[in-house]
Amino acid sequence: DTAVSQTPKYLVTQMGNDKSIKCEQNLGHDTMYWYKQDSKKFLKIMFSYNNKELIINETVPNRFSPKSPDKAHLNLHINSLELGDSAVYFCASSQDGREGYTFGSGTRLTVV
Amino acid sequence: EDKVVQSPLSLVVHEGDTVTLNCSYEVTNFRSLLWYKQEKKAPTFLFMLTSSGIEKKSGRLSSILDKKELFSILNITATQTGDSAVYLCAGLETSGSRLTFGEGTQLTVNP
Repeated sequence: DTAVSQTPKYLVTQMGNDKSIKCEQNLGHDTMYWYKQDSKKFLKIMFSYNNKELIINETVPNRFSPKSPDKAHLNLHINSLELGDSAVYFCASSQDGREGYTFGSGTRLTVV
Repeated sequence: EDKVVQSPLSLVVHEGDTVTLNCSYEVTNFRSLLWYKQEKKAPTFLFMLTSSGIEKKSGRLSSILDKKELFSILNITATQTGDSAVYLCAGLETSGSRLTFGEGTQLTVNP
């Protein structure tokens, strides 16, 4: 069974639209994350949630809004999509980083 | 701001060669240094290094951390084409809440 699963895997949408990416982990981890990987393969943290509470919010436009209904889920909603939002978005989870982070397979978002 | 720098950014070798990938870090409240391998999709975990000077090994891969020099290396011996990937280094801060990545080293192993 997949430990960290994201949906959808691919998302192509027009500028100005609103879209969501879902993430679920079945590892029993307390902390979940969203990372953005740009065209240069640089992975940058966006958000970190511990037990449904937001603990890290990097300098991310407020068009991006994470939501954690429970500790196994962390969704990412993006309003008014822009061309520069095109990237691969990775969800990850960990138990306080103790054994590293486990990543989902990524969502490739293309804004046209 | 936390920073992780990897070198080289790109490396092309022949099968059978040995490679050394470098990683330097400046991470406030540093706890551990992690190495990941990324092929087409999700980064997959290789090593977590917390103590200085203790080598970790997994098959042909090994890694070591120098906490005095804020540096880590990843060695791959007898490289194979399947080792071709981006190798990512990341610094984990104490709470475990933030993992800061370097740009990665793109390794290409030619037959």
